Amino acid sequence: NAGVMQNPRHLVRRRGQEARLRCSPMKGHSHVYWYRQLPEEGLKFMVYLQKENIIDESGMPKERFSAEFPKEGPSILRIQQVVRGDSAAYFCASSSSGAASGNTIYFGEGSWLTVV
Amino acid sequence: AQSVSQHNHHVILSEAASLELGCNYSYGGTVNLFWYVQYPGQHLQLLLKYFSGDPLVKGIKGFEAEFIKSKFSFNLRKPSVQWSDTAEYFCAVNHASKIIFGSGTRLSIRP
Repeated sequence: NAGVMQNPRHLVRRRGQEARLRCSPMKGHSHVYWYRQLPEEGLKFMVYLQKENIIDESGMPKERFSAEFPKEGPSILRIQQVVRGDSAAYFCASSSSGAASGNTIYFGEGSWLTVV
Repeated sequence: AQSVSQHNHHVILSEAASLELGCNYSYGGTVNLFWYVQYPGQHLQLLLKYFSGDPLVKGIKGFEAEFIKSKFSFNLRKPSVQWSDTAEYFCAVNHASKIIFGSGTRLSIRP
């Protein structure tokens, strides 16, 4: 029973390039969350998605960042025109129903983005 | 807005010492509370959670936490720590559709 799968684990991009991070939720989970962890900081909520819908994107930067969770395939967090400040660990989590219902969310191992 | 405060950024203990990590949240309504642990180089794992009922919650690896509603607190405790408990610990609370995390407490155990 695979857990939350994220890839790539490590990604290096030059300033101005695009970064795409993928997340496959646990089997049977249709709710996906993305968090960002900056060095020496906690996890900051970015976005919450269900299949084909963005439920809450209040933590997403207004520009350059987007997320999707299509009907088929993994959820993707896309960062356009990356800057050095985007360097961070990006964690995906999934649950069988929303956090508001009290369900536990399970985390992937993270994707470490380094912008050079 | 809901927020979570972890006042201890870095705690250093010797093996067998007792542990208490503080966590306070800001919302006064019904909450679900969590403690997650992140071992070096690994993903976050759930230690324990509180939804309702007994405010003293038992988790894995000998950890427990007590929900004190009047103090808006959910402190994590362990009577005797081991070197393998070296990790970062995150308190979290659900708010609407998402879970909000504190900034984390790094725990270092001296062998």
